[in-house]
Amino acid sequence: GENVEQHPSTLSVQEGDSAVIKCTYSDSASNYFPWYKQELGKGPQLIIDIRSNVGEKKDQRIAVTLNKTAKHFSLHITETQPEDSAVYFCAASYMERGFQKLVFGTGTRLLVSP
Amino acid sequence: ETGVTQTPRHLVMGMTNKKSLKCEQHLGHNAMYWYKQSAKKPLELMFVYNFKEQTENNSVPSRFSPECPNSSHLFLHLHTLQPEDSALYLCASSLQVQGASNQPQHFGDGTRLSIL
Repeated sequence: GENVEQHPSTLSVQEGDSAVIKCTYSDSASNYFPWYKQELGKGPQLIIDIRSNVGEKKDQRIAVTLNKTAKHFSLHITETQPEDSAVYFCAASYMERGFQKLVFGTGTRLLVSP
Repeated sequence: ETGVTQTPRHLVMGMTNKKSLKCEQHLGHNAMYWYKQSAKKPLELMFVYNFKEQTENNSVPSRFSPECPNSSHLFLHLHTLQPEDSALYLCASSLQVQGASNQPQHFGDGTRLSIL
């Protein structure tokens, strides 16, 4: 089955710096890769996703890159702000009996200091 | 408003109690999921319902019993739980089309469960 590894487990940056979180996956058939942000006391919120037919996607200060050959994908946050502090999860999809399922990474705790 | 609402937000129960968690989605989705989130572990998929049919039971102990009366509501019935079952239980929903992928899952804010 699919296996997703995520690094680093914690990341501390100064406000205004960039933050990069990296994930690798094992199933070459995976074709959908969402990223979630989880704030304290809340559930994971989808912030960006990428499909395997593109290599990069941007949404304001957030971007995701995908390298299908190497089977890794990354989340890039530029001009970080204190409100970006949260736990971020990557995930990779796989199909089972005709339906999509997601496998999640273990999460990265991002702390942005003012 | 996340579109997926879970109640209660917090639950403390003894090992001999019976309780239920509730999830409701207002997104018009046809698939619903229960996940368990424990500290320092990836989200663990417990149950999947597609079109109200249970399609997945990831070797979850029988003390957890799901129920999906319609595509908008999902329950998790709990009985005789163990201390290791203390965790955040998350509900999610998505729009599933058989044979197609690339559909995002949307999560509720979870129920924080503590077993005494």
